[in-house]
Amino acid sequence: NAGVMQNPRHLVRRRGQEARLRCSPMKGHSHVYWYRQLPEEGLKFMVYLQKENIIDESGMPKERFSAEFPKEGPSILRIQQVVRGDSAAYFCASSPMSPSTDGTYEQYFGPGTRLTVT
Amino acid sequence: AQKITQTQPGMFVQEKEAVTLDCTYDTSDPSYGLFWYKQPSSGEMIFLIYQGSYDQQNATEGRYSLNFQKARKSANLVISASQLGDSAMYFCAMREYGNKLVFGAGTILRVKS
Repeated sequence: NAGVMQNPRHLVRRRGQEARLRCSPMKGHSHVYWYRQLPEEGLKFMVYLQKENIIDESGMPKERFSAEFPKEGPSILRIQQVVRGDSAAYFCASSPMSPSTDGTYEQYFGPGTRLTVT
Repeated sequence: AQKITQTQPGMFVQEKEAVTLDCTYDTSDPSYGLFWYKQPSSGEMIFLIYQGSYDQQNATEGRYSLNFQKARKSANLVISASQLGDSAMYFCAMREYGNKLVFGAGTILRVKS
């Protein structure tokens, strides 16, 4: 059973370009979360999506950032007109629709995409 | 206000000894979950252990145990019999108000041989 997949693993963009980060959740998982980790910091929640719905985008910057999780295909985190401050590791996590028997919605993390803006 | 506080930026432990990584949290939600993740130098996030707010017993997973003190709002991770491969960054996280996780700043653990 494949885990959460993210691609690319490393992405280099020049200032002003667009970055597209992809996340394929674990099989059977319908919830996707995106987190950002700036250098030397912990992960910060960005957005929580279910298929075709944004549930919570309270952590998303108001401009240039968008996310989607279409009915078919991976979840996409899109950053338009990237700036140097966008350089970070972006992690995707997925969880099943129902909690585990102990009540937890355990989130399984992908390996992350390291974005470098030059 | 900080939701998750990890006061130890870095820790050293001798191989085969036990080590405790501190985590305190702040929430008004009566239903919450506490997680610990390990992040080795390769960068992936590895789930270690989970404690639910209503769990009566402390969680254990192999060499990992969670010292949950609800009244003090602390959820310290105890690693027994440390191994060199335990050297990594460790993050405490809390789930509240839905499914998103709030992470602490992390503690770097170095295991000495």
